[in-house]
Amino acid sequence: ETGVTQTPRHLVMGMTNKKSLKCEQHLGHNAMYWYKQSAKKPLELMFVYSLEERVENNSVPSRFSPECPNSSHLFLHLHTLQPEDSALYLCASSQVHAPRTSGGYNEQFFGPGTRLTVL
Amino acid sequence: AQSVTQLGSHVSVSEGALVLLRCNYSSSVPPYLFWYVQYPNQGLQLLLKYTSAATLVKGINGFEAEFKKSETSFHLTKPSAHMSDAAEYFCAVRNTGFQKLVFGTGTRLLVSP
Repeated sequence: ETGVTQTPRHLVMGMTNKKSLKCEQHLGHNAMYWYKQSAKKPLELMFVYSLEERVENNSVPSRFSPECPNSSHLFLHLHTLQPEDSALYLCASSQVHAPRTSGGYNEQFFGPGTRLTVL
Repeated sequence: AQSVTQLGSHVSVSEGALVLLRCNYSSSVPPYLFWYVQYPNQGLQLLLKYTSAATLVKGINGFEAEFKKSETSFHLTKPSAHMSDAAEYFCAVRNTGFQKLVFGTGTRLLVSP
């Protein structure tokens, strides 16, 4: 495997289900990201894990819960989702050279995404 | 905060024609700018990036972009479109806040035979 991989590629779930999205990066990076891509909206960054520190977008509902057990793996746990949560969920990774400085973030490499449909 | 604006949600060209996708940025610090491409059912792939070196940046698949500070623009061009260029293109700017990359809303490029 190379680059950033995501599983599953497609997921259909009911509002009462619990599911998890998985991301794995094979690039040796030290930062990983979850994005939400909805039609006609800019990409929305949901969570960042960088050098074992987690930063989150305060507007993300608590029904989304990230987990980053190590620098290569990232999960997004989903529970009691709403139909408006249907979207493409993208994982990305990058190498951070200088934490907490704007100059430290290099370009991000993206996975193929998980297409989530909430019924 | 930094931001980018992409003019035109859809651009249609004929195969062999010039491709021009527009991006204007707003940044309070020297910007780092990126163009990404997204093919159907795939993630985003980096086409090229500007990091304050040469103002004309060459990327993959024959694309290039020119940084123009006076116009706050970073337009993407390709001299001759191929059918395989049909995709959605996103301009992005490095941000100093939480969202390290701020993306535009995207431009869908349609290429007709």
